[in-house]
Parts: sequence; C-alpha cells; structure tokens
Amino acid sequence: QVQLGESGGGVVQPGRSLRLSCAASGFTFSNYVMHWVRQAPGKGLEWVALISYDGSNKYYADSVKGRFTISRDNSKNTLYLQMNSLRVEDTAVYSCAKETVRYNYYYAFDYWGQGSLVTVSS
Amino acid sequence: QSALTQPASVSGSPGQSITISCTGTSSDIGVYNYVSWYQQHPGKAPKLMIYGVSDRPSGVPDRFSGSKSGNTASLTVSGLQAEDEADYYCSSYTGSSTLVVFGGGTKLTVL
Repeated sequence: QVQLGESGGGVVQPGRSLRLSCAASGFTFSNYVMHWVRQAPGKGLEWVALISYDGSNKYYADSVKGRFTISRDNSKNTLYLQMNSLRVEDTAVYSCAKETVRYNYYYAFDYWGQGSLVTVSS
Repeated sequence: QSALTQPASVSGSPGQSITISCTGTSSDIGVYNYVSWYQQHPGKAPKLMIYGVSDRPSGVPDRFSGSKSGNTASLTVSGLQAEDEADYYCSSYTGSSTLVVFGGGTKLTVL
C-alpha cells in the first residue's frame, strides 16, 4: 500500500534553515508528481510546492518562493523540502502528497503523509 | 492569489443531504476543471473525495458528488452518516504563479 512518511521537523529560530524529507513506498515514486502542503495550527491547508516526476520542473507558492527548494531523489524514493530564511508564519505541519495521475498534473492529491511539525520561534 | 471561499460550517441530520459551496474567480474555478475536495477528520491527514470537479477516487462512496457552475464548485453529500462529520476543503488549479489554492474549509456537523 502507498505510504508517505515525513521527517526533519522541529523548532528553529527565525532566519534559520531546516530540511524536510518524505520517504515514499508502495508505488513507483519516479512516475508521479509530488507536492508539499502545509497546515498552520488550527488553520486551513496551503499548497507549498510541486516537483515533476523527473525533477525537471518545480513550482512554488508565492509565499515561499525564493526561500524554499523542493527536490527529489528517485533512486531513494525520497522527496525533500529545503526551507531557508524561515519566518514565524512558516510554522505549520508540512505534509508530502502524491499526485493522482502518472507523469502528469491533475493538481489533486490522493495520498498524504501524516506530516512533520515545523515551529519557527525565537 | 486569494483563497477560495467556503462557508465556515454546515450541518444536517442523518440521512439528509447537504451541499458545500466553494467560490473562486474566473481565473481559477471558472476556467479550469481541476477542482478537488478533501475530507479531514481531527488529527488525521486529508482524504481525497473528489477530483477533476466530479470524479471520485476508488473507495469513496457515491454519496459524495461534485459539480461546478461558473466560478462556484459544490460538494454534495447525500444520505448523511455520522462518520461524515469532518472538515472539508476545496482546491483549484489557478494558472498563476501559485498554482493551487485551497478554500478556508467547512466544518460539517451531523446533528
């Protein structure tokens, strides 16, 4: 069965960096677009970034553009999110999510990880 | 890109039907058919209920249906059951720099 598991979250001071990882299993990782979505405590969902199945295309929400970098290692079935210049407003649970269709974009997420909490605080 | 607009809450009795609206603009819902709906129970990961405006993933009961008219998408839940009580979020592709926007979420209460 499809499984997604995030790691790397924690407490960090404003301006510092953190890297999240998402280990995938149960499907052919290299065939699917992958996304990061975040949810601030008690708030709604916010799309963060996506990466194409082969890593050649990357897109970011305006709120994180220039500070966050999405990447993937298909040989390790792992998705990453490098977060630099973190702000208090980046505090959220960050979840990786799998695109519904192979090789393409439907902008719908059929499997989600449980998420990793990132807290940005001085 | 602004978030999509959803009602904060809706409610219904078991067996009844409810509809949750999701209002966007002519730059997102109005022009693209990439509207999705997610169900989220407290402390759980979201679950995809509808994608492509009206398609249901396998395993989602046909009590859940989606539609779109103009700039507004809708999720209808018929034959309400206690386990349907959850938060529901809509999303849409935007075609702008922020590719995907979500609605603020709607809390469904089964009375």
